[in-house]
Amino acid sequence: DAGITQSPRHKVTETGTPVTLRCHQTENHRYMYWYRQDPGHGLRLIHYSYGVKDTDKGEVSDGYSVSRSKTEDFLLTLESATSSQTSVYFCAISESTGGAEQFFGPGTRLTVL
Amino acid sequence: GENVEQHPSTLSVQEGDSAVIKCTYSDSASNYFPWYKQELGKRPQLIIDIRSNVGEKKDQRIAVTLNKTAKHFSLHITETQPEDSAVYFCAASNAGNMLTFGGGTRLMVKP
Repeated sequence: DAGITQSPRHKVTETGTPVTLRCHQTENHRYMYWYRQDPGHGLRLIHYSYGVKDTDKGEVSDGYSVSRSKTEDFLLTLESATSSQTSVYFCAISESTGGAEQFFGPGTRLTVL
Repeated sequence: GENVEQHPSTLSVQEGDSAVIKCTYSDSASNYFPWYKQELGKRPQLIIDIRSNVGEKKDQRIAVTLNKTAKHFSLHITETQPEDSAVYFCAASNAGNMLTFGGGTRLMVKP
């Protein structure tokens, strides 16, 4: 597996609380992504980053924000968690976009009660 | 934006049989089509990909075909084995764009 870690791996939180998920890579890849995985929906892109401090929205960005202050770290924040954000969150990295293999992290299972 | 549809959502085959999963896409500019395999509780991993300048690509028991005119591509697994049981995702993108994934197919190979 590529050098990608996610923390925490599991989290249970309550509606209305802030949550931050961390993705860390040791591959020095330029692109980093956050996806959520829900049954029947495959993997849906939340936000992505194409460099330090350079981020953009994906398909399902509402309720999420991201930050990338270092090449190796990409943070996903749920400012005020809702039950609809209960999901498995995957981070991914790639050297380029539009035709480059994406390598996925191990995932974070988030439950919002 | 791109829309990728994947069928079937579940597929059950007998060990040794072939399995075929089909995807359609909407954006005619898409030119990269990867397939990912996700075992239970694990991360998705790339198993094969194809680009629009190629009609077919094969890697041992796995093959992918692409029909750009019809905007569909398919994954073929021959001589299925129990370890092929997993969820398979197709995806599509064009240069500079992000991957759009299909909804996934759960393949079950019965011994």
